[in-house]
Amino acid sequence: AQSVTQLGSHVSVSEGALVLLRCNYSSSVPPYLFWYVQYPNQGLQLLLKYTTGATLVKGINGFEAEFKKSETSFHLTKPSAHMSDAAEYFCAVSDPAGKSTFGDGTTLTVKP
Amino acid sequence: NAGVTQTPKFQVLKTGQSMTLQCAQDMNHNSMYWYRQDPGMGLRLIYYSASEGTTDKGEVPNGYNVSRLNKREFSLRLESAAPSQTSVYFCASGRAPNYGYTFGSGTRLTVV
Repeated sequence: AQSVTQLGSHVSVSEGALVLLRCNYSSSVPPYLFWYVQYPNQGLQLLLKYTTGATLVKGINGFEAEFKKSETSFHLTKPSAHMSDAAEYFCAVSDPAGKSTFGDGTTLTVKP
Repeated sequence: NAGVTQTPKFQVLKTGQSMTLQCAQDMNHNSMYWYRQDPGMGLRLIYYSASEGTTDKGEVPNGYNVSRLNKREFSLRLESAAPSQTSVYFCASGRAPNYGYTFGSGTRLTVV
């Protein structure tokens, strides 16, 4: 069985500050890992993904995430927050068949 | 490209009524999925279809049925709606397990 834990249901940062959203996963096989973003009243949009190879992956909108197998983590970061980054973020792990399990989400608030 | 299209966007049902949520994708993806999203609970998989002609249960299938009509279309049916099925429903499609999903914009369903 696979699972995802997102630490912190709400994160608040100031504009220009570092964004760090935490995700830990559990998987019995080498995982495929994803971060999605959801803006109000919209569907989820893929931010970035880790499959194999480089452990630091870059995504859209300046976000990146690092896969750390020893820590079973896949934390999402952005060096400088922008007001437009305010949204809900979901970490997900996928099995080889393509079924994804999602975390409960983290709402990011960006203060001016 | 339209991507993943869901209809309707909003629906109010009375307890015991039935309805079908429609989903169509134009990306030639093999896999399609239905999730429900409830506050603080992330997304939970209801049913999925790995390929045309196949469907399988996910985490929360009770009270739902699905039909993979063809490669493009994957519908979700509520035979006898209950208030516990009040939720936002998302359809998604996937090209391959390591590619992530493309989501529709969701159907907001209220059962009274």
